[in-house]
Amino acid sequence: DAKTTQPNSMESNEEEPVHLPCNHSTISGTDYIHWYRQLPSQGPEYVIHGLTSNVNNRMASLAIAEDRKSSTLILHRATLRDAAVYYCIRPPRDDKIIFGKGTRLHILP
Amino acid sequence: DTGVSQDPRHKITKRGQNVTFRCDPISEHNRLYWYRQTLGQGPEFLTYFQNEAQLEKSRLLSDRFSAERPKGSFSTLEIQRTEQGDSAMYLCASSSMRVVEELFFGEGSRLTVL
Repeated sequence: DAKTTQPNSMESNEEEPVHLPCNHSTISGTDYIHWYRQLPSQGPEYVIHGLTSNVNNRMASLAIAEDRKSSTLILHRATLRDAAVYYCIRPPRDDKIIFGKGTRLHILP
Repeated sequence: DTGVSQDPRHKITKRGQNVTFRCDPISEHNRLYWYRQTLGQGPEFLTYFQNEAQLEKSRLLSDRFSAERPKGSFSTLEIQRTEQGDSAMYLCASSSMRVVEELFFGEGSRLTVL
């Protein structure tokens, strides 16, 4: 099964860009990469997903390495409300979304 | 509100009691998932349904846990003879068949077993 590796925690200053890395070296060629985040005291929420090329939406951008062994979630201008745990999700196996521990992002005012 | 709703939001019970949680998914979603989350950990998969069929149950789930989705709409998760180790946040999520990987989560039901 494809496994993802993320740093346990990161810090960033408010109003600066944040780059959250994820390694997924064993991902297969047709597997999408998904990111979720979990704000304090809430359930996780979907952020973005992608396959090969970079993806943008209103929440974030996803930059996927050419060899697909890693990806980076980019928050272009972090706010205090972006403080959360960010999960890089291994591709579904048997339609089960499996979460790791994620990266806890701290935003400094 | 058309999101996923869970009830109750908080439940405190004594060890040995039974508890039941309810989840109402987004109405057009076929898939419904239950997860459990403890402090500092990511959500842990418990079970999922496609319509009324329970397709998989985690090996981590003991026989004290049972989930149902009788009419393919709402779901219940029952824990019998609760233990202190069952204290956790129980999360429900739903997704459509069209984009199964995009889960919509409820706010969870927090269980405290004394």
